[in-house]
Amino acid sequence: GAVVSQHPSWVICKSGTSVKIECRSLDFQATTMFWYRQFPKQSLMLMATSNEGSKATYEQGVEKDKFLINHASLTLSTLTVTSAHPEDSSFYICSARLGTGNTIYFGEGSWLTVV
Amino acid sequence: GEDVEQSLFLSVREGDSSVINCTYTDSSSTYLYWYKQEPGAGLQLLTYIFSNMDMKQDQRLTVLLNKKDKHLSLRIADTQTGDSAIYFCAESFNDYKLSFGAGTTVTVRA
Repeated sequence: GAVVSQHPSWVICKSGTSVKIECRSLDFQATTMFWYRQFPKQSLMLMATSNEGSKATYEQGVEKDKFLINHASLTLSTLTVTSAHPEDSSFYICSARLGTGNTIYFGEGSWLTVV
Repeated sequence: GEDVEQSLFLSVREGDSSVINCTYTDSSSTYLYWYKQEPGAGLQLLTYIFSNMDMKQDQRLTVLLNKKDKHLSLRIADTQTGDSAIYFCAESFNDYKLSFGAGTTVTVRA
């Protein structure tokens, strides 16, 4: 089946620094990718929709200047957490829509710890 | 997540069938999905159903959808220890954003 890969799987960074998480669709083109955040033992919260070649669409309450999303190609979207703070520590997970169909695959997720 | 509700826990004996229930409020959803999440891992797509269908079967998995009652269920036949995980139902709309339930933790006991 289709695979969505995220990198890194886990990262520790210092407060005030920025960290980039990559989301790649390995064997299909994804014009639309999504970024979610999941707190421990909770559900997934949609952060933004990443559209290839255009600006991301952010959900209400998500700071676009803090969570920078770039979708430079049909197989890669990146999420950059800028000026990270401990409260940004979370599990970030991306998903990709298979072409123009209805199948949505998720990546393995990335654990971010800000110290 | 408040638009999609699931029971939080389910315990089932190995070999029995598991039924995980989900209710949603927005009747304009287009597709309904079931995902499986193991500890520390991402989400694995199990199956999805078009909102105008009432049933879909895929090997050990059976999805039932009652659109009138806005009720979705996932039945896992012959539940195995490897089925222990958190199961999320989610609804999508024309923009393919997913709205998730809180997840049901399924524990399979020997």
